[in-house]
Amino acid sequence: EDKVVQSPLSLVVHEGDTVTLNCSYEVTNFRSLLWYKQEKKAPTFLFMLTSSGIEKKSGRLSSILDKKELFSILNITATQTGDSAVYLCALSGGSNYKLTFGKGTLLTVNP
Amino acid sequence: DSGVTQTPKHLITATGQRVTLRCSPRSGDLSVYWYQQSLDQGLQFLIQYYNGEERAKGNILERFSAQQFPDLHSELNLSSLELGDSALYFCASSVVGTGEGEQFFGPGTRLTVL
Repeated sequence: EDKVVQSPLSLVVHEGDTVTLNCSYEVTNFRSLLWYKQEKKAPTFLFMLTSSGIEKKSGRLSSILDKKELFSILNITATQTGDSAVYLCALSGGSNYKLTFGKGTLLTVNP
Repeated sequence: DSGVTQTPKHLITATGQRVTLRCSPRSGDLSVYWYQQSLDQGLQFLIQYYNGEERAKGNILERFSAQQFPDLHSELNLSSLELGDSALYFCASSVVGTGEGEQFFGPGTRLTVL
């Protein structure tokens, strides 16, 4: 069964800090790894990483995928209070097309 | 706003009852996915439909069923409700029927079973 483990479970930082969120996985047949941001509502899509796209960047957020070591990281530089949220890592793989989610990392950015 | 709509936003009902949750995917998306999010289990995949046909099943209980209609909207039916069914139910949609495409989530329906 596919498995996604995120660390740390929670993180408290000050505005301006840089954070790194981790996601390790086990999968039978890798298709893609996705990052979502969830505030008090629905998960919002951030990045999708695939075999052909192992690095993505958007503004202060960036992510890489290491298919050999089976992990991904999400970096957020110059954090802002608006970055406070749960960050979810999800895996698409195996014999069907579902997303398997990790438990998430709760990021709190204090002013 | 992802373009995925879900109704109702909130639902409060009693044990043993049956409810129907509705989802309209983004324009052009053929795939609809249903997820359950509870505090202890996180986001769990329930079921996927692609262009009207069931494509994949997750840990969906036999008391739960879903369908996708010709206009591509989907309904999730939950019956014989138990206290443990209280959760957020999300619908997501994607263009393609496979897992490579990113999924966009609706605002969710919060179900409370009393």
